[in-house]
Amino acid sequence: DGGITQSPKYLFRKEGQNVTLSCEQNLNHDAMYWYRQDPGQGLRLIYYSQIVNDFQKGDIAEGYSVSREKKESFPLTVTSAQKNPTAFYLCASSSQGDYNEQFFGPGTRLTVL
Amino acid sequence: GQNIDQPTEMTATEGAIVQINCTYQTSGFNGLFWYQQHAGEAPTFLSYNVLDGLEEKGRFSSFLSRSKGYSYLLLKELQMKDSASYLCAVLDSNYQLIWGAGTKLIIKP
Repeated sequence: DGGITQSPKYLFRKEGQNVTLSCEQNLNHDAMYWYRQDPGQGLRLIYYSQIVNDFQKGDIAEGYSVSREKKESFPLTVTSAQKNPTAFYLCASSSQGDYNEQFFGPGTRLTVL
Repeated sequence: GQNIDQPTEMTATEGAIVQINCTYQTSGFNGLFWYQQHAGEAPTFLSYNVLDGLEEKGRFSSFLSRSKGYSYLLLKELQMKDSASYLCAVLDSNYQLIWGAGTKLIIKP
């Protein structure tokens, strides 16, 4: 089965700790994305990557970091510099080209206590 | 700036028809997507429009007017399971998706 996996589904951390959210895809997609979703709001782009070893900041990159060492993997680290880290985080991937349908993972709900 | 507007919330009755509107102002246009998102879950793809007109897919249809910067999603024969948020997203000139805030659809028996 092809798809995107994110783990864990729920994550709790103490304030001041860094935390890494995993995202893996076996769809052979070149592009991968991280979004943040807050209650009653749309998706906001954190980082995206169109090719291995390259990534770009989205609209709200401050306090986050990513890496793209493998095509299949795009982990997101939420650092202690992120002021309001509690949110629902969604990872997505798409193939390159004119038609850019994004496929989403199940999401990780991060709660910082 | 880039902007996508959708109503925040709509209510409809089971078995009825509902139309969810989306207006956009973006730097360039390479297509418009509609996604469905149930609470606490990931968005799932519903439709893609790049040319003007109506695309029908079962109970769901999506319409696009590029000259007016306008789209709508039409849901027929509403079922309780259609209670969800519906997200409108536009692919801009850089092939980046710009997302609306979503419309929460509440279906009543």
